[in-house]
This record gives sequence, C-alpha cells and structure tokens, in this order.
Amino acid sequence: AQSVSQHNHHVILSEAASLELGCNYSYGGTVNLFWYVQYPGQHLQLLLKYFSGDPLVKGIKGFEAEFIKSKFSFNLRKPSVQWSDTAEYFCAVKTGANNLFFGTGTRLTVIP
Amino acid sequence: NAGVTQTPKFQVLKTGQSMTLQCAQDMNHEYMSWYRQDPGMGLRLIHYSVGAGITDQGEVPNGYNVSRSTTEDFPLRLLSAAPSQTSVYFCASSSPRLVRYEQYFGPGTRLTVT
Repeated sequence: AQSVSQHNHHVILSEAASLELGCNYSYGGTVNLFWYVQYPGQHLQLLLKYFSGDPLVKGIKGFEAEFIKSKFSFNLRKPSVQWSDTAEYFCAVKTGANNLFFGTGTRLTVIP
Repeated sequence: NAGVTQTPKFQVLKTGQSMTLQCAQDMNHEYMSWYRQDPGMGLRLIHYSVGAGITDQGEVPNGYNVSRSTTEDFPLRLLSAAPSQTSVYFCASSSPRLVRYEQYFGPGTRLTVT
C-alpha cells in the first residue's frame, strides 16, 4: 500500500532561518507529488506540486521542493522563513487513482 | 465561484446520534472526496466519488455513508456517531479537466462526539 512519511513532527525555527521538511513515499509507479499548507484555523491550500519535468519545483511564498526519484523523496525547502510561515505542512502523493495519500504533517513554528 | 463549501462548521453529537455533513461545489468538478484529519495521523480518505451516482470507499470508510445524486453535492452521513469519529472533516473536489487534477478543499467541519 502507498504511504507517505514525514519524519519531522514539529519544527521550531527563528525568523530568517532556512527550512527543510522531509517527505518520503513508498510507491513504485508514477506519482504526482504535492505540498499543502494549513495556516491556523484555515483549510488546506496547495503550496506546490510536481508532475513531470524539472525535479526542482517552485511554489508560492518562496517555497520550493525537489523530487529525487531514487530516494523516493520530495523535500520542501525555503531559504529564509518568516513568522507568517507558521503553519502545518502536509506532503501528499497521488498515484493512479484520483486520490491523495497524505503524510501525518509537520507543524512549523517560526519565532520572531 | 464559492468553491467548495461545507456545513456545519462545528457540531457536537452524542454517541449514537446520526447526522449529515454537507459538501457542495460550484465548479462542476467530477471528483469529490471526504477526508478526516486527526492529530498525528494527517488526512485520511473516507469515501470518494468520480461522478454522479458513483461512489467508492477510501482508507477509513467504516461508520460513514455517502451518496452522489448530483454533481454539486456529496453529503457524508454518520448513522450512529461514536467518539472515535471526533475529528475535523474536509471535503475536496477536482476534475480531470483541470491541469493536473489539483484538489480544492473546503473549510472543514469540526465534529465532536461525546
């Protein structure tokens, strides 16, 4: 069965620090990869997505992610976080069917 | 477009009560899904539909029923609520006509079962 692992449950950073959140998936076929963000009290919003082509994907708000097929990974990065990036971040994988499998989420707290 | 709407936003039920969580979308999307979000578990798929009249089970379907009589609506029914169903429920929609099947999420319904 497909699974998505996010190993960091809670990350605390100071403003301007660099961010990298890990995401690994287990599925041998073609996958589409997503990062969603959920700000406090709000619903999920798409941050970025990868389907094919350049494995380095740029999303909104300065976020980017790199798809490394050999490592089954899709890590999220941002060079300099802001207090407004405090949120929960979910990695998700879509396989053949039109359904997303989500990781357990990583809570990011940015300290001003 | 209102996008994906969910009602109610909050609900408290007693064990054994029944209720329906409403989900509607005005984007003419073929696909609709229900997820539940629990701390430390991420989002898990409950049921999904690929079109009016067609539904199927996801990862955690037990205790929930769905139907899809129209393209716009995809209600989720709890026939006999249990405390284990305390969760935040998200409805989502998407379409194969969209670029890369992006899913649009509703604002969620926070359900507490006592």
